[in-house]
Amino acid sequence: DQQVKQNSPSLSVQEGRISILNCDYTNSMFDYFLWYKKYPAEGPTFLISISSIKDKNEDGRFTVFLNKSAKHLSLHIVPSQPGDSAVYFCAARDGYSTLTFGKGTMLLVSP
Amino acid sequence: KAGVTQTPRYLIKTRGQQVTLSCSPISGHRSVSWYQQTPGQGLQFLFEYFSETQRNKGNFPGRFSGRQFSNSRSEMNVSTLELGDSALYLCASSLAMGSETQYFGPGTRLLVL
Repeated sequence: DQQVKQNSPSLSVQEGRISILNCDYTNSMFDYFLWYKKYPAEGPTFLISISSIKDKNEDGRFTVFLNKSAKHLSLHIVPSQPGDSAVYFCAARDGYSTLTFGKGTMLLVSP
Repeated sequence: KAGVTQTPRYLIKTRGQQVTLSCSPISGHRSVSWYQQTPGQGLQFLFEYFSETQRNKGNFPGRFSGRQFSNSRSEMNVSTLELGDSALYLCASSLAMGSETQYFGPGTRLLVL
């Protein structure tokens, strides 16, 4: 049973536009959510996180939105840059549990 | 501060062999987690170690094992390798269990022939 789902395997966006990556979860006990970015041949890099007590967290061009009633979170990248092209993983944790990851969405930002 | 290091970076083995992968966490980090990444499967949790004890374990067969040393360095071992064990094995460290953020190493890519 996949508790964290990223239903879009890939997303293509033009440079300068907004990229929106989506993530759904089923475990209502998840209380902390993270986004990681991964380039080929490298390990995932932490990008941004949000606690379940918030509905929005912003860091520069990256904003994460959390809708607890819908069990949905999204990552907005504005403006998108070619260097943002990577695989993005959504992850969630429940208290002291381990991280549960989605399968990832490959973002391609074209010039 | 140095990041998480993993050795070796690449490894080729044959079916039936065993393999040991090593992970050195960020200095001061005491929790180490291991993940397996295969195409289309995302990151699947293997196990987490803290203070030399396995604290959590994922849904993998007993062929997968690990340990953590007093300096927080960790090793994972896979015995009787199968073709399906070919994957990128990632190690992540954090200050403690339940820490908000895990920091990943570059991974060890294992190919089983």
